[in-house]
Amino acid sequence: DTGVSQDPRHKITKRGQNVTFRCDPISEHNRLYWYRQTLGQGPEFLTYFQNEAQLEKSRLLSDRFSAERPKGSFSTLEIQRTEQGDSAMYLCASSPMLGQNSPLHFGNGTRLTVT
Amino acid sequence: KQEVTQIPAALSVPEGENLVLNCSFTDSAIYNLQWFRQDPGKGLTSLLLIQSSQREQTSGRLNASLDKSSGRSTLYIAASQPGDSATYLCAGGTGANSKLTFGKGITLSVRP
Repeated sequence: DTGVSQDPRHKITKRGQNVTFRCDPISEHNRLYWYRQTLGQGPEFLTYFQNEAQLEKSRLLSDRFSAERPKGSFSTLEIQRTEQGDSAMYLCASSPMLGQNSPLHFGNGTRLTVT
Repeated sequence: KQEVTQIPAALSVPEGENLVLNCSFTDSAIYNLQWFRQDPGKGLTSLLLIQSSQREQTSGRLNASLDKSSGRSTLYIAASQPGDSATYLCAGGTGANSKLTFGKGITLSVRP
């Protein structure tokens, strides 16, 4: 169990550019989640996958955001035409599909700064 | 829609003190309740998970309780240490998909 890995740790981009983040979950974890956290707030749910299927998307996920998990393993989150309001920590989490007793395991996040 | 509240936003205590962190939620049909620790600039570390059918969970110096009828959970930390300084977040799950709704967290500072 090597934990949830996220890359890059930090990303600084100019407004209007596209960015892509990667998440590698704990191996054999069926579920993968993306959350966004701004300063002084708790994480907010963005989307989640069960294997390769994206089962739920938050209203926070505008059409500039897209997430994929093509083979049911790693996932990518892309933000197109970034805006300053997109600046946040993007957290990935994974869990096995074991019902109520499945804590989420989080990565260390990707901190995005849009200038 | 589940809403989770944690008050106060910050707490400072001397080393060795026993303390209780509070969490309240609005939807009593909660699936599970999780407590996390977050160090500055880092991700979240799961501390305890309480299933809806349980009343409490313990791990070392930590004890978490769940009272669905009153919409409250508490995290009890015994004999606090400076290394316990961090932000503590509670989160309620309202379905089998484990999607969580988080509070804003309580930033704890334990003074040596």
